[in-house]
Amino acid sequence: EAGVAQSPRYKIIEKRQSVAFWCNPISGHATLYWYQQILGQGPKLLIQFQNNGVVDDSQLPKDRFSAERLKGVDSTLKIQPAKLEDSAVYLCASSLKESSGGAKSYNEQFFGPGTRLTVL
Amino acid sequence: AQSVTQLGSHVSVSEGALVLLRCNYSSSVPPYLFWYVQYPNQGLQLLLKYTSAATLVKGINGFEAEFKKSETSFHLTKPSAHMSDAAEYFCAVSRWGAQKLVFGQGTRLTINP
Repeated sequence: EAGVAQSPRYKIIEKRQSVAFWCNPISGHATLYWYQQILGQGPKLLIQFQNNGVVDDSQLPKDRFSAERLKGVDSTLKIQPAKLEDSAVYLCASSLKESSGGAKSYNEQFFGPGTRLTVL
Repeated sequence: AQSVTQLGSHVSVSEGALVLLRCNYSSSVPPYLFWYVQYPNQGLQLLLKYTSAATLVKGINGFEAEFKKSETSFHLTKPSAHMSDAAEYFCAVSRWGAQKLVFGQGTRLTINP
């Protein structure tokens, strides 16, 4: 079974430029997540999709970050314009659909290799 | 709100020695708890999870963790460290019934030959 795919793996841009990241989740996974991992910190959830709808985007800086998942499969995350503090690894993860509750209903998140963004 | 604190950003042990990585959580509702491992330039891989069943959870690669509600802890252990265990380890918490993960800041494990 193929894992979560992300591209590009590395990206270097100058501040105020735009950048986009792409994620292809595991086939059949309805839920997709984007995380930001700043060096020396744990991943922080930016946005969560279920199919093509947004479940949680409470920590997404909406003035510069946007994400979409138009057909409920692939997703893109965009930053426009980038700031120095956006330098981080952007991780995509996917899982079966959001659990409806119950002790054994947690669905494991599978992570992609990430995109390392450097903003100069 | 939920949070996780990992004690020690860097732990170093000798090969063959006990590995102990500490994690304390804060949650106002029954938590799900997880340990993930991240090797250089790779994504996160689930080591083990606690989802309100047995309090002693066994995971992959010989790791295990014990959920202690009275201590709000979920420490990760392995009896004998191997060189291949060198990586970054993250503890995470999720609200019961939800998928959203809140991660700790990570602990880098170094294995000395």
